[in-house]
Amino acid sequence: EPEVTQTPSHQVTQMGQEVILRCVPISNHLYFYWYRQILGQKVEFLVSFYNNEISEKSEIFDDQFSVERPDGSNFTLKIRSTKLEDSAMYFCATKGSIVGNQPQHFGDGTRLSIL
Amino acid sequence: DQQVKQNSPSLSVQEGRISILNCDYTNSMFDYFLWYKKYPAEGPTFLISISSIKDKNEDGRFTVFLNKSAKHLSLHIVPSQPGDSAVYFCAAGGGSNYKLTFGKGTLLTVNP
Repeated sequence: EPEVTQTPSHQVTQMGQEVILRCVPISNHLYFYWYRQILGQKVEFLVSFYNNEISEKSEIFDDQFSVERPDGSNFTLKIRSTKLEDSAMYFCATKGSIVGNQPQHFGDGTRLSIL
Repeated sequence: DQQVKQNSPSLSVQEGRISILNCDYTNSMFDYFLWYKKYPAEGPTFLISISSIKDKNEDGRFTVFLNKSAKHLSLHIVPSQPGDSAVYFCAAGGGSNYKLTFGKGTLLTVNP
C-alpha cells in the first residue's frame, strides 16, 4: 500500500538553528499538509499546500515557517530560527483530491527536539 | 480550541466485546468526519470516515455513527481484539482545503 515517507525520524537541533523536515507524498497525490503534535496535546493543523502554493495556514505558521516542493517529489517544512516551543512531532499528510470525502494519509512523523 | 472533543481519555474493554468511542464537535461547517488509529512512534492511520449526508458507515468490524443534530459521532468496534489497542483520534474537516481538526484522542485497551 502506498505510504507517506518522512525524514528524518528524529532531529535534535540547537535553539536558533534552521531545520528542514522532509516528506515524500504518495505519488499521485496533489494536496499536502503539515500538522504538529506537542507532547500531551492535540494534533494541530499548520499549513496546506496545493498547486505549488500555500492554500491555507494556521496562526502557528508564522514567518519562521515555510514550505515548498522544490523538485516535484519532496515536500519540505523549514523552520528558520527554531525556538524551544517548536519541539513537537511533525506530521506530513497528503490527499489525492480536494473532494472532501477522501482521507488524508499521514507519515510516521519527525520528532523535533530543540535544545 | 475545543471544536472537536473526545471526553474520554481512556477506555478498557474485554476481547470480544464492543468498544464505543465518542466524539463531539461544535463547528457546523464540518461536513466530513474521520477516525484515525495511532500506535506509539507511528503516524495516524486512517480507519473509517463519514460524510455529513450520511448517518452511518460500516467497514468490517468498524462502524461510525453520526448524529448531526447532536453534533456527535461514535465509533463502534465489534468484536474488539487485542490488536485494536491504540489511541483513537476523531477528526473533522470542511471548507475548501479540508484541513482536519482533531480531538485529543482516546486510548483504547482491549484485554485478552
